[in-house]
Amino acid sequence: NAGVTQTPKFHILKIGQSMTLQCTQDMNHNYMYWYRQDPGMGLKLIYYSVGAGITDKGEVPNGYNVSRSTTEDFPLRLELAAPSQTSVYFCASSYETGYYEQYFGPGTRLTVT
Amino acid sequence: QQQVKQSPQSLIVQKGGIPIINCAYENTAFDYFPWYQQFPGKGPALLIAIRPDVSEKKEGRFTISFNKSAKQFSLHIMDSQPGDSATYFCAALQGGSEKLVFGKGTKLTVNP
Repeated sequence: NAGVTQTPKFHILKIGQSMTLQCTQDMNHNYMYWYRQDPGMGLKLIYYSVGAGITDKGEVPNGYNVSRSTTEDFPLRLELAAPSQTSVYFCASSYETGYYEQYFGPGTRLTVT
Repeated sequence: QQQVKQSPQSLIVQKGGIPIINCAYENTAFDYFPWYQQFPGKGPALLIAIRPDVSEKKEGRFTISFNKSAKQFSLHIMDSQPGDSATYFCAALQGGSEKLVFGKGTKLTVNP
């Protein structure tokens, strides 16, 4: 099993551009999450999904959108990128709700300039 | 408002030392407290977790101590090794919620 995979690993985006960060898991997990990690700030939840077709906002959803058309995929869309979105983005998945281990992908380092 | 306060921000110990990382919370509805370990360039991975019905949980060289009345919990690493050098995050979950709340992290360096 590959676990949780994310693409791209690195990306530089110009201000105002849009892009999609890809996340795929092969563990048949129902729950998937997107976090951003900024230096010294821990992990902040952006969006999460409890199953295909069901998504909900986390702590810092502004400037982002998600969709979940399949169990495996949970892409994160950045619209009109701003320098404040420069961060490392992690996708995670878990079998069920928060009491279960979250398995994290390797991350995408995004710079908006 | 930071829901889980973690300290220290960074910690340097010698090999064999016992680093201690502390976390405090206010929300008494939290009922699950995991610790995640993150190596540079990698995603976090679950290290150990505890529920508030026990005061201590040990897995190998890693121990969580939990003080429900003080609303504090801590991670102890016995006989620390250079390979333990990583960033450690405490987290908390409120029952019925899907959202883990993370502390800001502690960067641990274990010198040889």
